[in-house]
Amino acid sequence: DAGVTQSPTHLIKTRGQQVTLRCSPKSGHDTVSWYQQALGQGPQFIFQYYEEEERQRGNFPDRFSGHQFPNYSSELNVNALLLGDSALYLCASSLRQGAYGYTFGSGTRLTVV
Amino acid sequence: SQQGEEDPQALSIQEGENATMNCSYKTSINNLQWYRQNSGRGLVHLILIRSNEREKHSGRLRVTLDTSKKSSSLLITASRAADTASYFCARCSGGYNKLIFGAGTRLAVHP
Repeated sequence: DAGVTQSPTHLIKTRGQQVTLRCSPKSGHDTVSWYQQALGQGPQFIFQYYEEEERQRGNFPDRFSGHQFPNYSSELNVNALLLGDSALYLCASSLRQGAYGYTFGSGTRLTVV
Repeated sequence: SQQGEEDPQALSIQEGENATMNCSYKTSINNLQWYRQNSGRGLVHLILIRSNEREKHSGRLRVTLDTSKKSSSLLITASRAADTASYFCARCSGGYNKLIFGAGTRLAVHP
């Protein structure tokens, strides 16, 4: 039973560029949430997707956007990258919007130079 | 801003000793969850304790929840070097069960 799969594992981008991160949820899960974790900090909630719609959003600018596909997989897009966007981006999947807990992927390490 | 706070920020113990980490929060919760993270990789779910529960066990782990004090604790008994990791509590609240994490406790277990 595959867990949450994130790709790519590592990514280096230049300021001003755009990036797309991908997440495949655990089998049977229908909800995907995205988190940003800066070095030495706890994860910060970006947004949650359920039934292909953004259901809740954290305190992140509109440069951060996402999408959920009919197969429940999800993408996180970040436009106009800033140095401060360098972080570990974590995807968490769950059933019915986290009613029974979350399963996290291993993350994508994004470095903006 | 993060609304969960772990205490202590760092903990260093010897193998075989017990490790206790505390978590405080400010608002109501649906449940509280504890996660482990090794070397900045993905989070591993340890225990979920619901707001109407007071204590929960899983192997060498024991979690308590005191909703009147808005606090929780994670106890790891008979620690092993493999328990070395960062431990986070996450407050789960609202209709969408959003997780709010604290800054974590970095646990080092020395052989």
